[in-house]
Amino acid sequence: GQSLEQPSEVTAVEGAIVQINCTYQTSGFYGLSWYQQHDGGAPTFLSYNALDGLEETGRFSSFLSRSDSYGYLLLQELQMKDSASYFCAVRDEDTPLVFGKGTRLSVIA
Amino acid sequence: DSGVTQTPKHLITATGQRVTLRCSPRSGDLSVYWYQQSLDQGLQFLIQYYNGEERAKGNILERFSAQQFPDLHSELNLSSLELGDSALYFCASSSAPDSYGYTFGSGTRLTVV
Repeated sequence: GQSLEQPSEVTAVEGAIVQINCTYQTSGFYGLSWYQQHDGGAPTFLSYNALDGLEETGRFSSFLSRSDSYGYLLLQELQMKDSASYFCAVRDEDTPLVFGKGTRLSVIA
Repeated sequence: DSGVTQTPKHLITATGQRVTLRCSPRSGDLSVYWYQQSLDQGLQFLIQYYNGEERAKGNILERFSAQQFPDLHSELNLSSLELGDSALYFCASSSAPDSYGYTFGSGTRLTVV
């Protein structure tokens, strides 16, 4: 099976940078995904890392280290609208995405 | 609008009852996933269908069942409902069965009273 650990809550100031960490355990590894979910909304796909390194998409970047079973989501130039829950998720060969319990990000002025 | 349609948006029902949640995947997507999200839990995978066939099963209770029809829409049936079944139920879809990027519907909020 798979298990993922991520902090339950993070608070950051508008305009700052925040990093949300995720460690995982899985028997087979086919990549680490990140999703964003606003209160009352649907999860939306943010990024995917299959190989080690940093992937950048605008203000958001995602990093993966397969040897450490670790990844993070980096949000830059934080905006109030970034306040949401962020989920990391992994998949192995035969199973759909398994999600972590999510990190609630609060952006304050 | 993500392209994944779930109905109804809200459902209130009594314990012991049976309900059906419906999902229409995004056009062109063959794979449908059902997830349950409770207050203190993340997204718990229930079941996956691909092109009409069951492909993977998660922690789905025996009281729950699902199917995917020839037109690719899917239904999740929940029976003998208990208070603990109150949750948000999401449907997601993807084009490939082993995709990492799912498109989620807006969910059905089920309240069992």
